This record gives sequence, C-alpha cells and structure tokens, in this order.
Amino acid sequence: DVKVTQSSRYLVKRTGEKVFLECVQDMDHENMFWYRQDPGLGLRLIYFSYDVKMKEKGDIPEGYSVSREKKERFSLILESASTNQTSMYLCASVPTGGVGNEKLFFGSGTQLSVL
Amino acid sequence: AQSVSQHNHHVILSEAASLELGCNYSYGGTVNLFWYVQYPGQHLQLLLKYFSGDPLVKGIKGFEAEFIKSKFSFNLRKPSVQWSDTAEYFCAVTAYGNNRLAFGKGNQVVVIP
Repeated sequence: DVKVTQSSRYLVKRTGEKVFLECVQDMDHENMFWYRQDPGLGLRLIYFSYDVKMKEKGDIPEGYSVSREKKERFSLILESASTNQTSMYLCASVPTGGVGNEKLFFGSGTQLSVL
Repeated sequence: AQSVSQHNHHVILSEAASLELGCNYSYGGTVNLFWYVQYPGQHLQLLLKYFSGDPLVKGIKGFEAEFIKSKFSFNLRKPSVQWSDTAEYFCAVTAYGNNRLAFGKGNQVVVIP
C-alpha cells in the first residue's frame, strides 16, 4: 500500500529553535508538498517540489525553507521557530500527472507546538 | 491564483438527514475539482473528483457532487448521512495544467446518532 511517512507525530520546540520536519514517500512520486492545517483556515500550501533539488514557493512560504536531496524525502525547515508556526503540518505526494490528474497521498501529520 | 470558499464551517445533523456542503471557487479558466475528507484520527483522503464530462460525479460512501460552471460551484451531497460520516470535508481546486491545489477552509460535520 502507498505510504507517506512523517517522522514525528508530535513535536514541541522553543521559540528561536531550528526545526526539521521530515517526510518520506515510498511510491517513487515526483511531486511532494508541505501544507499547514489550522482550525478554520483549512490547508495552506507552504512549499512544493516537482523533482529532486527543485522547489517552488506556495502561498505562505515566509519563515520556512525546504530541502529535497533525494526523490523520496522532502524536508521542511523552520529556520527560527516562532509561536505563530504552531500548527499541524501535512506532507503529501502525487505522481507525474500532478495534482490536476492524480489524487494526493497524505501523511498522518506532525503537530508542532512552539513555546 | 485560484481560491476556494466553503461556508457553514460547523454542521450538525442527525442520522438519515440529507447533507449538502457548498463550495465556490474563483478562477475563470478550466479547473479540476476535488472533495477530500478527514475522518477523526485519519489521513486526508480523496472522496471524489471532477475533471471533465458529466458534471454530476459520484464518489465513495454514497457521496456525489455537482459541478455548475456558471455558478463556479462544486457542491457535495449525500441523501442520508450516517454517524460514520462525522468528519471534516475539504473542497479543493486546481487550474488545468497547474500543480497547485488550493483548499477551502473545510466543513466540520458532526452526525448525531
């Protein structure tokens, strides 16, 4: 079965810390995405990647960066965590056809709390 | 860029009642439309999708949605809900050829047994 695995289910960090959120997919998908999910705001796209070492900003990239050194792994980096980055972070992937033609496969999410 | 509006964020209804969730998008060109569902404690999963053809699409678990181009709408319906339909429902849209999927704010649906 298809799998998108996020390394941590819950994470607690302090303001100013550098935070790494890891996502691995086992489906050989080209496209990978990071969303944040907040109550009443739905899912908002942070960054996505359509190939190794390729990335594009989503709708809310400020305060985040990403890394995609291998096809199966897409990392989200919070350079200096702030309290307004407390959220549920969702990773997703989709094959070559892209989001317009294929369904997204989501991970189970990482609930990040920044204190 | 495309955007999605969902109204009535919280919906509470009894089993066997009918459900309709509204979704409107803003984009003038060709779009692909989706409804995703998140059951408590589970991953987001695809409920149904519209790419082209018959504007009435049927998905899993008895859900259907109708694309009305003139109204920029893609409303989700189920004639008779069950307790197991308690979930959060998200409408999403992408412009044809675009690799960005824009989600609405979601509808939290609670079905009372």
